[in-house]
Amino acid sequence: GAGVSQSPRYKVAKRGQDVALRCDPISGHVSLFWYQQALGQGPEFLTYFQNEAQLDKSGLPSDRFFAERPEGSVSTLKIQRTQQEDSAVYLCASSLVRTPIGRYGYTFGSGTRLTVV
Amino acid sequence: KQEVTQIPAALSVPEGENLVLNCSFTDSAIYNLQWFRQDPGKGLTSLLLIQSSQREQTSGRLNASLDKSSGRSTLYIAASQPGDSATYLCAVIMEYGNKLVFGAGTILRVKS
Repeated sequence: GAGVSQSPRYKVAKRGQDVALRCDPISGHVSLFWYQQALGQGPEFLTYFQNEAQLDKSGLPSDRFFAERPEGSVSTLKIQRTQQEDSAVYLCASSLVRTPIGRYGYTFGSGTRLTVV
Repeated sequence: KQEVTQIPAALSVPEGENLVLNCSFTDSAIYNLQWFRQDPGKGLTSLLLIQSSQREQTSGRLNASLDKSSGRSTLYIAASQPGDSATYLCAVIMEYGNKLVFGAGTILRVKS
């Protein structure tokens, strides 16, 4: 597609519910990132994929968070047993090249706003 | 651990003013620095990317400078317009890393 597509745009989950957030990167983009943006803060890194390989998951806040990109294109971020502190906007970004991204930069999706009640 | 700070947190100016947004980072071993714009409910749009070997980049009314050794960058917006109202985010990539480290952003409001 023309850009990075994320779905759903909005998700309200009851505390304890499992959720799955989807990211469709630009076709052919090698690198894919997930970021978490709390209200009034800048995005914080969660995890990075190069094709289907998850090369860095150091930013995942707990073992309730899991991400996959099985065929090197679409990625899913799953949060199990959601807590109120998981409420945030989850942003996906992709890049044509492997890191370091250099002058090619990133394309970000519009994000999924997760509210846990 | 790299920390990125943006000052001011919020800024309100009348239309037509020139303005400067500031970004500082604690670890100067960066690969590049980017300025992004974020509109409410939207993703991030890249405005300018400065490689660590560069001093500045320009795009239209925007000019970004980088002083790597002192850990500072500025985003200069000339002749501001109401359409410039948004949150502006500064982010760096480390020489030894692959992820963006963001500041908390500056919320800009340009009044008509």
